[in-house]
Amino acid sequence: GAVVSQHPSRVICKSGTSVKIECRSLDFQATTMFWYRQFPKQSLMLMATSNEGSKATYEQGVEKDKFLINHASLTLSTLTVTSAHPEDSSFYICSASQGANNQPQHFGDGTRLSIL
Amino acid sequence: AQSVTQLDSQVPVFEEAPVELRCNYSSSVSVYLFWYVQYPNQGLQLLLKYLSGSTLVKGINGFEAEFNKSQTSFHLRKPSVHISDTAEYFCAVSDPQGAQKLVFGQGTRLTINP
Repeated sequence: GAVVSQHPSRVICKSGTSVKIECRSLDFQATTMFWYRQFPKQSLMLMATSNEGSKATYEQGVEKDKFLINHASLTLSTLTVTSAHPEDSSFYICSASQGANNQPQHFGDGTRLSIL
Repeated sequence: AQSVTQLDSQVPVFEEAPVELRCNYSSSVSVYLFWYVQYPNQGLQLLLKYLSGSTLVKGINGFEAEFNKSQTSFHLRKPSVHISDTAEYFCAVSDPQGAQKLVFGQGTRLTINP
């Protein structure tokens, strides 16, 4: 149980392109989803927290207009990297939780984004 | 604010040897504690968690961890490792009264040598 599917697993695109990444909870309802960014050989950096039906809460230093997050249903959240540039290249990972504080986050397999 | 320190960035171990990955945390409130494992180019998989109760927590793949409040530690142990345990291991904390945010340590790269 508690499977999170993230798609696509890898994206290579030209600078200026907008890229959408999907995060789905397959067998549970995720009231809260999280988006992380991970640089090579580093830890995960939380970008934003999204709750179903409301605006995402962004961490300090994360551009809201650059990284658009939508959590339209209890099983789907999307991250759109708008007008991506080479410095946006990274490994993006989503996680989902059933909402209670004692419930662990369940992680997707990540998306490797490469901007040429 | 909470923080997590994983004291070892890399730990090389021979196969079938025991291993301990160290994790210390800092928090002004009580915490939930987690260990996650990350295989190359994948997301994170939960190994085990401490919420309350017994301080010795058993997880998947033969791992266990012990919560030590006085030392603010949550070290991960396995009595006998396998080649397949080669991965990155992350310790994380969250505030039971908070918004489920996880604060991660820097990670420990566990390499198992034959």
